[in-house]
Amino acid sequence: ETAVFQTPNYHVTQVGNEVSFNCKQTLGHDTMYWYKQDSKKLLKIMFSYNNKQLIVNETVPRRFSPQSSDKAHLNLRIKSVEPEDSAVYLCASSSGTGNERLFFGHGTKLSVL
Amino acid sequence: SQWGEENLQALSIQEGEDVTMNCSYKTYTTVVHWYRQDSGRGPALIILIRSNEREKRSGRLRATLDTSSQSSSLSITAAQCEDTAVYFCATDPQGGRALIFGTGTTVSVSP
Repeated sequence: ETAVFQTPNYHVTQVGNEVSFNCKQTLGHDTMYWYKQDSKKLLKIMFSYNNKQLIVNETVPRRFSPQSSDKAHLNLRIKSVEPEDSAVYLCASSSGTGNERLFFGHGTKLSVL
Repeated sequence: SQWGEENLQALSIQEGEDVTMNCSYKTYTTVVHWYRQDSGRGPALIILIRSNEREKRSGRLRATLDTSSQSSSLSITAAQCEDTAVYFCATDPQGGRALIFGTGTTVSVSP
């Protein structure tokens, strides 16, 4: 049963536009993540937040910014999308950090034309 | 096998066959996660093996962990069509930060 909810499921936009993706978890977890999955299925960590504090910020372009209002929500904003941003963005949560089990949402598929 | 390879490995088998996929990791870890991802969904944990467990079983799944060679394997016995998915191993090489995923293995099981 899904406990990590992502919206939208799909988003098509043009180069240069701004997009925002939402993620909410109902598991009471302290840590949330954003992963990017490319067309080859490679999963790369982008950000993680623990109790609203940024703890992982991998080398991603500055146009990406995570936003956390509380520990149940972690949104992702892309300021000016580029073609290489086309991917599936997966949100996840865990009760702690590091080796804890991850619970993923279904993902948001972004297509940049 | 996964990790350090850019190309996603793909395995095609028939129902009833056994399949094994491998994962090698670069940094010492005490836990290896195995996730499966069905089409259109996020990955889901299927088995987790710790360094004090050389082998772990869950139904038709069997995971092994060899910390000396920094490798793990996942086997599926008597595969069924519903086992068709992408399988990932994952570890936390930086200790307490985030899981890092291998490149994945696509398993296709045909009737």
